[in-house]
Amino acid sequence: EDQVTQSPEALRLQEGESSSLNCSYTVSGLRGLFWYRQDPGKGPEFLFTLYSAGEEKEKERLKATLTKKESFLHITAPKPEDSATYLCAVQAAGGSYIPTFGRGTSLIVHP
Amino acid sequence: DTAVSQTPKYLVTQMGNDKSIKCEQNLGHDTMYWYKQDSKKFLKIMFSYNNKELIINETVPNRFSPKSPDKAHLNLHINSLELGDSAVYFCASSQDRSSTGKVETQYFGPGTRLLVL
Repeated sequence: EDQVTQSPEALRLQEGESSSLNCSYTVSGLRGLFWYRQDPGKGPEFLFTLYSAGEEKEKERLKATLTKKESFLHITAPKPEDSATYLCAVQAAGGSYIPTFGRGTSLIVHP
Repeated sequence: DTAVSQTPKYLVTQMGNDKSIKCEQNLGHDTMYWYKQDSKKFLKIMFSYNNKELIINETVPNRFSPKSPDKAHLNLHINSLELGDSAVYFCASSQDRSSTGKVETQYFGPGTRLLVL
């Protein structure tokens, strides 16, 4: 059974304090790993897709990396507007193409 | 020009009632989904549907049924609502996997907050 575990469950940072969120996964062949951002009262918003180990993608203060067992979402010098829940999802090769989501990391950045 | 829209945004109803949530996407996608998000933010797939197949999560009660009048719409009907049905329901869409050969990104609607009293 495909599993996705995100840690920490919650993270509080001071503005400018860089950190990383973790998404570890167990799937029978990875087809793709997704990162989403979800603001309170809104639907998940797509950030990145990673396909293979060693791949990296960046967007403003966010950088996503991928290994064979986990993905990291690095947040450099975060700002209060980065506060949100960050969701990770994986799509396994073969079988159902429906992604499996983790439970998310709730990030709060204090000014 | 919202990509994925849902109505209503809020739905408060009594236990035992039947209700529907509507979803529309204007992205030209072939596949649509319904997810349930609980109070701890866990997104759980309920249905996936395109013009070829309906995939049902076997843990979803048969009181829930998806209905698709056309490719751009996937509505969710819920019969005999129960207290445990209270949650946020998200519709999403993606391009059909066979037509692109790539991993499909899902685009989500704003959610429908259902409260059963």
